Order: sequence, then C-alpha cells, then structure tokens
Amino acid sequence: EIVLTQSPGTLPLSLGETATLSCRASQTVTSNYVAWYQQKPGQAPRLLIHAASRRATGITDKFSGSGSGTDFTLTISRLEPEDFGVYYCQQYGSSPWTFGQGTKVEIE
Amino acid sequence: QVQLVQSGAEVKKPGASVKVSCKASGYIFTTYAIHWVRQAPGQRLEYMGWITPGNGNTKYSPNFQDRVTFTRDTSATTAFMELSSLRSEDTAVYYCARTTELTTALFHWGQGSLVTVSS
Repeated sequence: EIVLTQSPGTLPLSLGETATLSCRASQTVTSNYVAWYQQKPGQAPRLLIHAASRRATGITDKFSGSGSGTDFTLTISRLEPEDFGVYYCQQYGSSPWTFGQGTKVEIE
Repeated sequence: QVQLVQSGAEVKKPGASVKVSCKASGYIFTTYAIHWVRQAPGQRLEYMGWITPGNGNTKYSPNFQDRVTFTRDTSATTAFMELSSLRSEDTAVYYCARTTELTTALFHWGQGSLVTVSS
C-alpha cells in the first residue's frame, strides 16, 4: 500500500500568515488522486481539495493544492481562527486508500 | 440535501462484535458507494473499504479483510459495518462517507460512531 508522510507534524503560525503543508507518497499516486481534509476536534473531516489541486464545492480560494507524482502541497493563505485544526492528505488512486498522519496547524 | 446519520456510541467487550449503521437520505441510495473510515483516539484516519448499495459488492482493506463485513438494506437506505473479534485497539470513531458526481474523494461524511472496546 502507499504510505503517505506529512510534514511538519505541528505548524505554529499567527493569524494572517500562510501555512504550507507537505505530503509525500512512498510511490507515485495514480492520476494525482490526492485529497486534503480539515478536521476539528469532535468533528468529521471536511474535504478541501481533491485531485491534488481542485477545490471541493464550497471551499474558498484561500485553500490551494499543488503537486504531482509523489510530492503534494496544501497552502492556506491569510490564516483565520477557523483554519486551525488538523489537516490530512489522502491518496485514492490505488487500493487500499490511505491517509497521512496529519499536520496540526495551531495558533502560535 | 445529502445526509448520513450514524448509530450511537457502543461499548463492547473484547472478542465481541459491533454493528454500526449509516442511514442515508437526500439522494438515491443505490447510486453511490458507502465508504467506511475509522479513527482511533489521537490517531490518523484509517480506510476500511466500501460497499456499493446497488448490488452489494464490497471491497475491504487488507488490514480488516478477515474481520469486517459491510451490508446494506436498500429499503431502509441504510448501510452497515460489522466488526468482529474486537480488541482494545479497535476503540475508535467509525465514519461512513460518500463521494459526489464531481469527485471520488470523500465529500459527505456521517457524524461518526464511537466504539469502545473494554473489559
């Protein structure tokens, strides 16, 4: 199975700053089928990005995804209080689907 | 609107089985697979597999292949996940989820069902 490694584990940032999150796959992700989710305590994940760079329905352009092959990035611009939480990448190009271990974006 | 409403929290003893339900509404139940994902406390999300409600086809992730069973009741528009031979490591929140016509990533999620395995 494809192993996804996210970095950093924790990202302390201030309001208004830009967050850059990384997701590296152990092998090429088919069709760049990488998704990014945001999760807050006690809530289900929320889909932000799919197919590496496409915003999900209802997601603002402050969230952007990029990358291909084995290296993918989620960028969150102009951090606001509601953006803090844990972000997971997922690959759904190969079975079994797998998730990264998460990056926690916290207020510095 | 699409809704996935899951059953409530359960406490089970080691070795027992648990069955979690996921009631779908707001769309034609047979047109989208239901996926199952779990999350142990403080851990990453873990994909378990899917069921296609139309024909009952299933695919299980290798880590769960021998202990999990997905079923569905189309008349009740409900999908089920049953996990057997429970152990403490199975303590987790179990989610059902669905894709959309725009993506095969997981857009719609249930609220989660906490399963606690404890003697």
